[in-house]
Amino acid sequence: GAGVSQSPSNKVTEKGKDVELRCDPISGHTALYWYRQSLGQGLEFLIYFQGNSAPDKSGLPSDRFSAERTGGSVSTLTIQRTQQEDSAVYLCASSARLAGAGDTQYFGPGTRLTVL
Amino acid sequence: GENVEQHPSTLSVQEGDSAVIKCTYSDSASNYFPWYKQELGKRPQLIIDIRSNVGEKKDQRIAVTLNKTAKHFSLHITETQPEDSAVYFCAAINGGSQGNLIFGKGTKLSVKP
Repeated sequence: GAGVSQSPSNKVTEKGKDVELRCDPISGHTALYWYRQSLGQGLEFLIYFQGNSAPDKSGLPSDRFSAERTGGSVSTLTIQRTQQEDSAVYLCASSARLAGAGDTQYFGPGTRLTVL
Repeated sequence: GENVEQHPSTLSVQEGDSAVIKCTYSDSASNYFPWYKQELGKRPQLIIDIRSNVGEKKDQRIAVTLNKTAKHFSLHITETQPEDSAVYFCAAINGGSQGNLIFGKGTKLSVKP
């Protein structure tokens, strides 16, 4: 079946502009995660959604970052007033349930964000 | 919160040799430890995982061992092939939230033919 998809694949923006990144999880997956991967670095957790529960926002680096998940499916990560240090690949993942329940997280192809 | 350390950061082996990557974690409540392989420009893909109720798991040329007492786990790749060349990430479930994964910084494996 279809995997996790993300759009756009690449985004170039000017410092100070807002950007929206989209994630379509695998159909039926209740858990959705956002991670950030800076050049040559590991994956840094940002936020996750589980069903209708309040999201865990503990990884968001600043209040310029926010995310929502509408209808328990598609998610949008918004970065306001982008800064050059926001440049990274933003990866979305989904799992049938929370990873702690033993379910694999499947990753999307990522959105490469470049802030000039 | 959970912290995951991964070593080495780079590893170069000859084709046919074995490769071992080691990770340590800090949160004794963590109970799920996946390994991901990421080829250049591609998404991370799960290659094997282990849960805290087992000590070892094997899948063809790949094996993972877990020492819960010492809080470390390792990835073993035998009979390495050039297509094994990639960045490998270990991860541990965030013991407190039981949701997100905490990743190591990755190991770049190069297999020389």
